Amino acid sequence: RKEVEQDPGPFNVPEGATVAFNCTYSNSASQSFFWYRQDCRKEPKLLMSVYSSGNEDGRFTAQLNRASQYISLLIRDSKLSDSATYLCVVILNTGGFKTIFGAGTRLFVKA
Amino acid sequence: ETGVTQTPRHLVMGMTNKKSLKCEQHLGHNAMYWYKQSAKKPLELMFVYNFKEQTENNSVPSRFSPECPNSSHLFLHLHTLQPEDSALYLCASSQDLSSSYNEQFFGPGTRLTVL
Repeated sequence: RKEVEQDPGPFNVPEGATVAFNCTYSNSASQSFFWYRQDCRKEPKLLMSVYSSGNEDGRFTAQLNRASQYISLLIRDSKLSDSATYLCVVILNTGGFKTIFGAGTRLFVKA
Repeated sequence: ETGVTQTPRHLVMGMTNKKSLKCEQHLGHNAMYWYKQSAKKPLELMFVYNFKEQTENNSVPSRFSPECPNSSHLFLHLHTLQPEDSALYLCASSQDLSSSYNEQFFGPGTRLTVL
């Protein structure tokens, strides 16, 4: 079983739609969680951290469910510029911090 | 504009060649990373350096040899690579490894093709 699993998509949605991505992790030593965004032929960039209480940044909402070991990202009112690959990132604390990236979920927002 | 630069941006090399990838960060960070990104695969962490000391080698073949002369520079020396080593090689940096909430900043990557 992969340590971090994401639905690869692609998700094809119209502008204005709400879209949600899930990510599951297998290691209970997972301590911190993030969503990164990677545009086509660009480097990954941090989108937002994910906290147990959930956090919101504009149209983006991230949630963490430790009991079920998954995190989610909700994008409301999708824009064309949201088209990208969304990477789920988990930091393990195994005596040192180890970063595990998911394979990413591709999103295409169409006019 | 990214504070992490990588050169070259593109590299084509034969299996018998020796080349080096360079990464430089201008963010005052103390931790630096090398990742490999192959098509349709997740980012694979290769090496981690913290305050110039290697803290992680993720079972990377010896044909990849990292070097970190100071906290701002990171190299990846390549020799006798295989075609399956063709990928995007990304460098990243973060403040250090003292917190699990340190954001990693990535460079634009070097697209490597091994013939």
